[in-house]
Amino acid sequence: ETGVTQTPRHLVMGMTNKKSLKCEQHLGHNAMYWYKQSAKKPLELMFVYNFKEQTENNSVPSRFSPECPNSSHLFLHLHTLQPEDSALYLCASSPAGTGGNNEQFFGPGTRLTVL
Amino acid sequence: QKEVEQNSGPLSVPEGAIASLNCTYSDRGSQSFFWYRQYSGKSPELIMSIYSNGDKEDGRFTAQLNKASQYVSLLIRDSQPSDSATYLCAVAKAAGNKLTFGGGTRVLVKP
Repeated sequence: ETGVTQTPRHLVMGMTNKKSLKCEQHLGHNAMYWYKQSAKKPLELMFVYNFKEQTENNSVPSRFSPECPNSSHLFLHLHTLQPEDSALYLCASSPAGTGGNNEQFFGPGTRLTVL
Repeated sequence: QKEVEQNSGPLSVPEGAIASLNCTYSDRGSQSFFWYRQYSGKSPELIMSIYSNGDKEDGRFTAQLNKASQYVSLLIRDSQPSDSATYLCAVAKAAGNKLTFGGGTRVLVKP
């Protein structure tokens, strides 16, 4: 595997389900991110992890719960979602923590549909 | 005022012509600037980063940064149909690694 991978690529879930999105980066980076991309809206940053520590929570509802067990893996746990949460969820990674090179590289995304 | 603004397009250019995309940002403390290309149904792909005023060229792409005027632009020379995509401008402050994205400009290159 190379770059940033995400699983599953597509997910359909009911509002009462619990599911998790997984992201893995093979780039040796120290920072990982979750973004949400909805139709007709700019990419929205959700969470930032630097060296496994959460450094940014962009006012995300608690029904989204991130987890970063190490610098290579990032999860997004989902529970009791709403239909408006349907979107493309993108994971990204970058080589630096704060400052310096901010180049972020994205995974292929998970297309989430909440029924 | 949006933090990062782009014309949504579509920007229609004939094959072989130059496509010119603009992006303005509101935070004068911004220090890092990026252009991403996103094909329909795919994730964003980094094509250029620029940190200093002036021009930066990479193949058919040239990024231009003017911090005093708070804009960054992307030129695509010899546009090809494969360049048809949405181009996202992203901006970050010197401290931290939080990127703020514009809404993107859709580019259509017609053969």
